Amino acid sequence: EDQVTQSPEALRLQEGESSSLNCSYTVSGLRGLFWYRQDPGKGPEFLFTLYSAGEEKEKERLKATLTKKESFLHITAPKPEDSATYLCAVHGGTDKLIFGTGTRLQVFP
Amino acid sequence: EPEVTQTPSHQVTQMGQEVILRCVPISNHLYFYWYRQILGQKVEFLVSFYNNEISEKSEIFDDQFSVERPDGSNFTLKIRSTKLEDSAMYFCASSVWLAGVGELFFGEGSRLTVL
Repeated sequence: EDQVTQSPEALRLQEGESSSLNCSYTVSGLRGLFWYRQDPGKGPEFLFTLYSAGEEKEKERLKATLTKKESFLHITAPKPEDSATYLCAVHGGTDKLIFGTGTRLQVFP
Repeated sequence: EPEVTQTPSHQVTQMGQEVILRCVPISNHLYFYWYRQILGQKVEFLVSFYNNEISEKSEIFDDQFSVERPDGSNFTLKIRSTKLEDSAMYFCASSVWLAGVGELFFGEGSRLTVL
């Protein structure tokens, strides 16, 4: 059964304190791994899609990487506006995305 | 920037009532989806829709649920007889390609509260 596990559940950082979020997955035939940002009461906002091990993508202070078993979302020098829940999802052989429970990030000034 | 729009943003209904949630996907997208998120839980897949028919549905999407694309722009989710456990945030999403080959864009959601 396809599964996504994210850690930690919650992360508190000081502004400027870099860190990484983890997404471990098991899927029969990965066709894509997605990272989304979700603000309270809002829909998931697309950040990245990664397709194969070794692939990396960057956007501002965020960088996503992918191995055969996990993905990391690295946050460099975060700012308070980066505070949100970060969701990881995988696409296997069907139409659907399988989501993890997310990491709730709080960045304090 | 093009976006997926959903209405209503919040609907309160009595148990047993019918509810229709509406979505306008991004105009050149071909694949449409409904997901839901119960408060504090994961985002869960409900149904995918392509070429005017359901292409996949989850166990959650039972006979009480239906989807329709009544015209060239709207995509609706109907719940025939709502239950308390249907209370959730419902997200519409669309993509140019089948999810996983490209980007899947979500709307802001419709919060459904069943009393």
